[in-house]
Amino acid sequence: EIVLTQSPGTLSLSPGERATLSCRASQSVTSSYLAWYQQKPGQAPRLLIYGASSRATGIPDNFSGSGSGTDFTLTISRLEPEDFAVYYCQQYGSSPLTFGGGTKVEIK
Amino acid sequence: EVQLSESGGGLVQPGGSLRLSCAASGFTFSSYAMSWVRQAPGKGLEWVSGIGGGGSSTFSADSVKGRFTISRDNSKNTLYLQMSSLRAEDTAVYYCAKAGGYNYDYEIDYWGQGTLVTVSS
Repeated sequence: EIVLTQSPGTLSLSPGERATLSCRASQSVTSSYLAWYQQKPGQAPRLLIYGASSRATGIPDNFSGSGSGTDFTLTISRLEPEDFAVYYCQQYGSSPLTFGGGTKVEIK
Repeated sequence: EVQLSESGGGLVQPGGSLRLSCAASGFTFSSYAMSWVRQAPGKGLEWVSGIGGGGSSTFSADSVKGRFTISRDNSKNTLYLQMSSLRAEDTAVYYCAKAGGYNYDYEIDYWGQGTLVTVSS
């Protein structure tokens, strides 16, 4: 089973600042099958990034993903008020599919 | 528009059984793998089970193997999760989730709103 470790656990930033979230895998993720999701309180998760760096439909370009192998990054170039949420990475290259523990981006 | 609507959640005693359903619309159901993902109160996401578009290939997390069974009825555009021998640690919101392709190795591109399962005496 591939274990995904996200850091930091909580990121305290102000609107307009840049957010950099990390996701590290215990072994190489097949074909960069790595996705990022955003979840707000009381809501289902929403797909942001798939294939490590491809934006999902309707996702603004201030969200970007990068990385390969075991190290992946989600960057939010300029935080908007609606971007404060919890973010999860997930690998879907091998079964069982696994999620990271999440990073909460909170308003400083 | 893709829509996923879960039902069947509720309160069940430890050791009991429950069947969740997910009605899908807005896409060709049989062409896409589906999964169940759960989230315990205040916790992160945990993938539970997945099934290929044809229904013949299934996968489950070790935590539910032998207790939960995923299935689908492509004629009814419905996904199921049969849960038995339920434990307190199975208490969670269960999300129905659509994959981006036919096999399990695709991202989850759509999620339902979830149904709460509470296991308690």
